[in-house]
Amino acid sequence: NAGVTQTPKFRILKIGQSMTLQCTQDMNHNYMYWYRQDPGMGLKLIYYSVGAGITDKGEVPNGYNVSRSTTEDFPLRLELAAPSQTSVYFCASSYDRDYQETQYFGPGTRLLVL
Amino acid sequence: QKEVEQNSGPLSVPEGAIASLNCTYSDRVSQSFFWYRQYSGKSPELIMSIYSNGDKEDGRFTAQLNKASQYVSLLIRDSQPSDSATYLCAVRGGSQGNLIFGKGTKLSVKP
Repeated sequence: NAGVTQTPKFRILKIGQSMTLQCTQDMNHNYMYWYRQDPGMGLKLIYYSVGAGITDKGEVPNGYNVSRSTTEDFPLRLELAAPSQTSVYFCASSYDRDYQETQYFGPGTRLLVL
Repeated sequence: QKEVEQNSGPLSVPEGAIASLNCTYSDRVSQSFFWYRQYSGKSPELIMSIYSNGDKEDGRFTAQLNKASQYVSLLIRDSQPSDSATYLCAVRGGSQGNLIFGKGTKLSVKP
């Protein structure tokens, strides 16, 4: 079991460029999440998905898009990158959203927008 | 706006001492509470979860929950330098049941 994997590990973007952050999980989890973490801050939820074909906005969705065509994959798309999107992005997954359910995190993608 | 508050620290304790980390939350209907440990440059790792009032022990870690005071804490006994990390408090609640994270408390255990 690889768990939750993310690619790339690090990326530098120029302002206005776009990119897709990849996230894959092999635990057959229904729920997947994208968070961003700015220095000295906690994690902020960007988008989440409760299953293939179903996504919803989190706390900070502006500037991002997601899709979920399969159970395993949950890519995050950045359009027109801005310096404010410089952050570390974590993907997470859980089998359910029962109150006891644990989220498992990927290793993160560090993004720098210049 | 549902909030989770933590003292950002840094909290410095000597090796072998008890480290006490605190967290308060604003949403009274929150049902579950989690402590994640995050080493620098790494992803969060779950170390404790608690759902009922009282104490829950796991090895050197004890989580304490007081729903009436909207307060959750984490005690680390016999602190080791390897415990040096940022500890994130997370609370699940609200209609969507998503996790809300605090900013984290940075713990430094000095040999």
